[in-house]
Amino acid sequence: ELKVEQNPLFLSMQEGKNYTIYCNYSTTSDRLYWYRQDPGKSLESLFVLLSNGAVKQEGRLMASLDTKARLSTLHITAAVHDLSATYFCAVDASSGTYKYIFGTGTRLKVLA
Amino acid sequence: NAGVTQTPKFQVLKTGQSMTLQCAQDMNHNSMYWYRQDPGMGLRLIYYSASEGTTDKGEVPNGYNVSRLNKREFSLRLESAAPSQTSVYFCASVLGSFYNEQFFGPGTRLTVL
Repeated sequence: ELKVEQNPLFLSMQEGKNYTIYCNYSTTSDRLYWYRQDPGKSLESLFVLLSNGAVKQEGRLMASLDTKARLSTLHITAAVHDLSATYFCAVDASSGTYKYIFGTGTRLKVLA
Repeated sequence: NAGVTQTPKFQVLKTGQSMTLQCAQDMNHNSMYWYRQDPGMGLRLIYYSASEGTTDKGEVPNGYNVSRLNKREFSLRLESAAPSQTSVYFCASVLGSFYNEQFFGPGTRLTVL
């Protein structure tokens, strides 16, 4: 059974600081997704990582994928208050089934 | 394009009542999903439909049924609601192409008393 774990679960950080969120998954998968959810809102797609070594960046967020280690990271550079949200990673449970399993989420709070 | 729409937005039920949550997408996506989100639990997959005419159980299917009415619509039914089904329910869809990112609806907040 595929398990997806994120850490930390909660993260409070000062504006301007850097930090990394980790996403570990238990079985082979070559696709990993990152989503953002604002309080009381739905989820929106941030990144799609399709292969080992994939790196995607948008603004202050950068995501990477290491399929051999079954690990993805979401790195935050010089955090700003607008990045406060919950971040989820998700993995395609089995290639071609389109069945996705989500991590428990990392709730990020950036303090001004 | 409206994307993924869900109705209703809010619902309060009494234990034992039944209801159907509706989901529709206008993006010509092939796969559709129902998730529930509970505090501290992330999203858990209830049922999904990889393509029109097929449905499969997810992680937490007990107490729910689904119908893929056509390519656009995927409904979730609670036959006899229980307080443990109090949650926020999200519908999502996937095109079924190279990227396969999910597009989510706005959610339905359900309370079962």
